[in-house]
Formats: sequence, structure tokens, C-alpha cells
Amino acid sequence: DIQLTQSPSFLSASVGDRVTITCRASQGISSYLAWYQQKPGKAPKLLIYAASTLQSGVPSRFSGSGSGTEFTLTISSLQPEDFATYYCQQPKGTFGPGTKVDIK
Amino acid sequence: QLQLQESGPGLVKPSETLSLTCTVSGGSISSSSYYWGWIRQPPGKGLEWIGSIYYSGSTYYNPSLKSRVTISVDTSKNQFSLKLSSVTAADTAVYYCARSIRLGELSLVAFDIWGQGTMVTVSS
Repeated sequence: DIQLTQSPSFLSASVGDRVTITCRASQGISSYLAWYQQKPGKAPKLLIYAASTLQSGVPSRFSGSGSGTEFTLTISSLQPEDFATYYCQQPKGTFGPGTKVDIK
Repeated sequence: QLQLQESGPGLVKPSETLSLTCTVSGGSISSSSYYWGWIRQPPGKGLEWIGSIYYSGSTYYNPSLKSRVTISVDTSKNQFSLKLSSVTAADTAVYYCARSIRLGELSLVAFDIWGQGTMVTVSS
């Protein structure tokens, strides 16, 4: 089974900051990684799939990169509505443990 | 636009079977481009993929839950369903249904549309 790890697990940042979250897979998954944002009490929202393809309607400050076993999600300028938990997901279904982005 | 809605009991007794249904509206479940899946989230914890199904009935299951899970599809009703047997308190969670994008040979590339989720508590 492919395992995913995320770092950091918790991140404290300010509005306007550039934020980077890393997801590592236990074996290569080519470019098939997805990223989600989840706010409390809400269903997750797809941000990026296939490592770097921005889902329709997602702001361009979100970007993804990587291939093989290491991937990153970058928020170029953190906005108040971006404080949430972020998950990665590999193409056989399973999710990473999550990264909570909180207000500094 | 396409919407998914979970339905089923909010309370299940230990050792019994949890049964949920997801109704798809605004589009057909019989699309060749998508799989349909279940994901759960215990209170305060992360997301756990349970399994997914194609309109033809082809399934993928999380190996850690496979022995207890059955996912089925009813194309005439535009619904798919989850059964999880022998539940314990550890199965208490919000259960989501979601649509997953297929790309080439990969069937679970990303979950792009989600239901609102339904809380299921396992307790006597």
C-alpha cells in the first residue's frame, strides 16, 4: 500500500505569507497527486489534481508541483479564507494525514 | 449542477451493519468518466477513503476495511450504497460520498464533487 506523509502537520502563518506544504509518497505515483482544502464542518474541496492542474474556480494563488514521491502545495499570498486544513491524496484513494494552517 | 446527498441512520448499534445511500442528482451516475466513492472522517481526525465503484459495478476497496465493506450501485435510481459490517465505536465518523475523476487507467485521481456528509454514531 502507498503511504502518504505531510509536513508540517501544523503551520502558523500571517495574511500575505507564502506558504508551502509538502506531501511525500512511500513509492512513486508519477504526477497523480491531488490536494484538498477543508474548513471545519465542511466537506473537503478539491484544489489541485494531477500534481499541478488547478481545479476550475480555485484562485491562482494556489499552485502544485512535484512528481514521483515528493510534491508541494504553495499558496503564494495567504488570504484570511485560506486558514484551513489541507490534505493530499494519491491515485489509489488514500489521503495524507493533513496540515492545519492557522493564524499567527 | 451535479449534487450528491448521503442518507441513512445516524445511529448504529455495535456489531451491526452500517448502511448509507448516496443519491446523485443533476447528472448520470452511468458516466464513463467517473467512479463514485465513500470517504469518512472520525471526529477531529483526518480523511479515510473507504472504497469506490464504477457504474458497471467494478469496485476498489481500502485494504484495511475490505473485509467489512460492500459498495453497490443502482443505476436505475442514480444511487450508490455503502454497507459496513460489524461496526464498533471506531467507525463513528462523518461519512461522505464523492465523485472521482478517472484519467487513463487510473480511476481515483481526485474527488471533485462531494456530498455534505452525514454523521454516523456507533453506540448502544
